[in-house]
Amino acid sequence: AQSVSQHNHHVILSEAASLELGCNYSYGGTVNLFWYVQYPGQHLQLLLKYFSGDPLVKGIKGFEAEFIKSKFSFNLRKPSVQWSDTAEYFCAVNAHGSSASKIIFGSGTRLSIRP
Amino acid sequence: KAGVTQTPRYLIKTRGQQVTLSCSPISGHRSVSWYQQTPGQGLQFLFEYFSETQRNKGNFPGRFSGRQFSNSRSEMNVSTLELGDSALYLCASSLRTQSSYEQYFGPGTRLTVT
Repeated sequence: AQSVSQHNHHVILSEAASLELGCNYSYGGTVNLFWYVQYPGQHLQLLLKYFSGDPLVKGIKGFEAEFIKSKFSFNLRKPSVQWSDTAEYFCAVNAHGSSASKIIFGSGTRLSIRP
Repeated sequence: KAGVTQTPRYLIKTRGQQVTLSCSPISGHRSVSWYQQTPGQGLQFLFEYFSETQRNKGNFPGRFSGRQFSNSRSEMNVSTLELGDSALYLCASSLRTQSSYEQYFGPGTRLTVT
């Protein structure tokens, strides 16, 4: 069965610090990978996605993620965070081409940015 | 293009009652998925509907059911409500093409069971 692990439950950073949020998944086949963000009081929004091709994916608001197949990882990065990045971040995985189309979400990482 | 809409946004029910939540997907999207979000369990997949057929189901009891109409609108029903059903219920729609499977989420329905 697919599973997604986000090991950091709560990350606290100062503005301008660099960010890396970990995401590991367990599935032996081809996967689609996503990062979603939920700002306070707002609904889930897609930050970026990986389906195929260049494993370094760039998303909105300066975020990027790197798919490392050998490590089953899809870590989210941002070189310099802002106070407005305070939110909860969810990694998600979908088995590519599977008849079971559900997307499995990680438990989320709460990011707090000190101004 | 209008986003995913969910009604109602807030709901308070008592134990034992039943509730129906509604979701209207983005125009042209044929897949609708439902999720339960709680602080303790995070986002848990309930089920997905595509072309009026349930395509997949998560690990929830039979009290949770859904359906999809010909216009792709979907409803989710929870019968015999329990306190533990208090959660944010999210609906997401997608195109479900071979090259794209990203989901667009609605604002959710906040259900409180007392």
